[in-house]
Amino acid sequence: EAGVTQSPTHLIKTRGQQATLRCSPISGHTSVYWYQQALGLGLQFLLWYDEGEERNRGNFPPRFSGRQFPNYSSELNVNALELEDSALYLCASSLAHRGNQPQHFGDGTRLSIL
Amino acid sequence: AQSVAQPEDQVNVAEGNPLTVKCTYSVSGNPYLFWYVQYPNRGLQFLLKYITGDNLVKGSYGFEAEFNKSQTSFHLKKPSALVSDSALYFCAVRDDNYGQNFVFGPGTRLSVLP
Repeated sequence: EAGVTQSPTHLIKTRGQQATLRCSPISGHTSVYWYQQALGLGLQFLLWYDEGEERNRGNFPPRFSGRQFPNYSSELNVNALELEDSALYLCASSLAHRGNQPQHFGDGTRLSIL
Repeated sequence: AQSVAQPEDQVNVAEGNPLTVKCTYSVSGNPYLFWYVQYPNRGLQFLLKYITGDNLVKGSYGFEAEFNKSQTSFHLKKPSALVSDSALYFCAVRDDNYGQNFVFGPGTRLSVLP
């Protein structure tokens, strides 16, 4: 069974540009979560999508947005990039209809802002 | 509201000795509890979960965790540490009410010394 896949692995942008990160969940998983992890520290919750709808959003500005497609893959968009957006962005998926199921993570996209 | 605390930023243990990584939580309903491990430049890997039943849960790589409802704790343990166990460990909780996010602790860095 293929795990959660994220692309690209690395992304280098300059201030003010826009970045698009992609995530493919494990087959059969309908929920996708996005997290920001700066400097190998804790995870900051960004967004949760389930069945194509945004279910919850973390404390991030509106320039962080995303969507979930009919095949349950997801995209995270970050507009007007700032230096502090440099981080590892992790995507996770789970069987949302059963809250006792763990999240399964991809290896992340490392976003560097120059 | 849900919350997770990992009171130790860093835990050092000698190879072959038992290890404990501490986690305490707060939820309004019944908790679903999870432990994850993160190796450098990788995503989080699921280790084990507590949903209900036996308070001692066994997981991957010889890890186990003990659920203590009265102390609202879910400490991760291993009888004999390996150098390869050195990594960042995250505890997470989810309330059993559907629609609640996973909440992750800040992480504990485990160093196993040869």
